Amino acid sequence: EDQVTQSPEALRLQEGESSSLNCSYTVSGLRGLFWYRQDPGKGPEFLFTLYSAGEEKEKERLKATLTKKESFLHITAPKPEDSATYLCAVQAFSGGYNKLIFGAGTRLAVHP
Amino acid sequence: DAGVIQSPRHEVTEMGQEVTLRCKPISGHDYLFWYRQTMMRGLELLIYFNNNVPIDDSGMPEDRFSAKMPNASFSTLKIQPSEPRDSAVYFCASSFPGHEQYFGPGTRLTVT
Repeated sequence: EDQVTQSPEALRLQEGESSSLNCSYTVSGLRGLFWYRQDPGKGPEFLFTLYSAGEEKEKERLKATLTKKESFLHITAPKPEDSATYLCAVQAFSGGYNKLIFGAGTRLAVHP
Repeated sequence: DAGVIQSPRHEVTEMGQEVTLRCKPISGHDYLFWYRQTMMRGLELLIYFNNNVPIDDSGMPEDRFSAKMPNASFSTLKIQPSEPRDSAVYFCASSFPGHEQYFGPGTRLTVT
């Protein structure tokens, strides 16, 4: 069964304290891995798509990387406005071309 | 583009009543998705459409749930009769084939 696990469930950082969020997956053929950010009371907001092991994408203080079994979202020198829930989702061959399987998310809190 | 539009943003209803949630996808997107998000189960795909045709409704929890897409710019998710366990945030998303999905702001449903 296709599965996505995110860790940690919650992370508290001081402003400027860099860290990484993990997304491990078990799927029968990966078509793509997606990262989303979700603020309270809002819908998930698209951040990155990664398609193959070794691929990296960057946006401001965020960098996403992909291996054959997991993805990391690295946050460099975070600011309070980076506080949100970060969701990882995979698109698998077995699930159909457009189905996404979401992890439970990591709740990030960055304190000044 | 205004993004994915959902209405109402909040709905409070009594058990047994019919509830209809509405969605307008991003113009030009071929795919439309309905998700449900709860603390316990996270983000779950209920059903998705391609060019107005339902492709996979395996996530629809019961026959009380139904979804339609009468044209490319409008979809509804109906719950009849509603039950307290249906309380959740319902999201609509749309995308081009195989690409990232863009989410609406969600409808927070409370069934008392």
